[in-house]
Amino acid sequence: DSGVTQTPKHLITATGQRVTLRCSPRSGDLSVYWYQQSLDQGLQFLIQYYNGEERAKGNILERFSAQQFPDLHSELNLSSLELGDSALYFCASSPRGGGYGYTFGSGTRLTVV
Amino acid sequence: GIQVEQSPPDLILQEGANSTLRCNFSDSVNNLQWFHQNPWGQLINLFYIPSGTKQNGRLSATTVATERYSLLYISSSQTTDSGVYFCAVPGAGSYQLTFGKGTKLSVIP
Repeated sequence: DSGVTQTPKHLITATGQRVTLRCSPRSGDLSVYWYQQSLDQGLQFLIQYYNGEERAKGNILERFSAQQFPDLHSELNLSSLELGDSALYFCASSPRGGGYGYTFGSGTRLTVV
Repeated sequence: GIQVEQSPPDLILQEGANSTLRCNFSDSVNNLQWFHQNPWGQLINLFYIPSGTKQNGRLSATTVATERYSLLYISSSQTTDSGVYFCAVPGAGSYQLTFGKGTKLSVIP
């Protein structure tokens, strides 16, 4: 157990639907990062939050949004889902905003049918 | 943005063999990490190694920051070493990691 908890582990949903992925960071970590791993794009950074505030944005679609709550857990919301959104979504956390000491969760495997 | 290239893309080893995986990056970095993704999809942090050499059991890593490359050595490979090995570096002035495409390692008995 890495200390980063992601739920659910698997999700199957239909095109056009909306889903929410949840991440609880390792105890004491203030930064949360979301990454998407797809077969054609590899591992890509989506967004980072630090202590409740958005810190950096990567290749995140407008249909996707995220937030970090006061208890530091984070949620990634994916809406108007398309077949191409099928991927592994990872959450990672680190103690500081600098990206040091990354720890990844076990991921959520999203399948859009 | 920063480019990360890994080689070889695929590697098949007999159990007990040694191997070297390479990661080249296009710009100066102050942080480099090696990860192992096992066949179940889990990403495990192997090394945080911005420069120098580190060892952990049968694995060791060396980063030569001035020449913009890092090497991961696996000795006496075991079937449990199978999976994909990624190196990742942050972009300039950023905290997010840019990953290479990985080296897929298959260790056969």
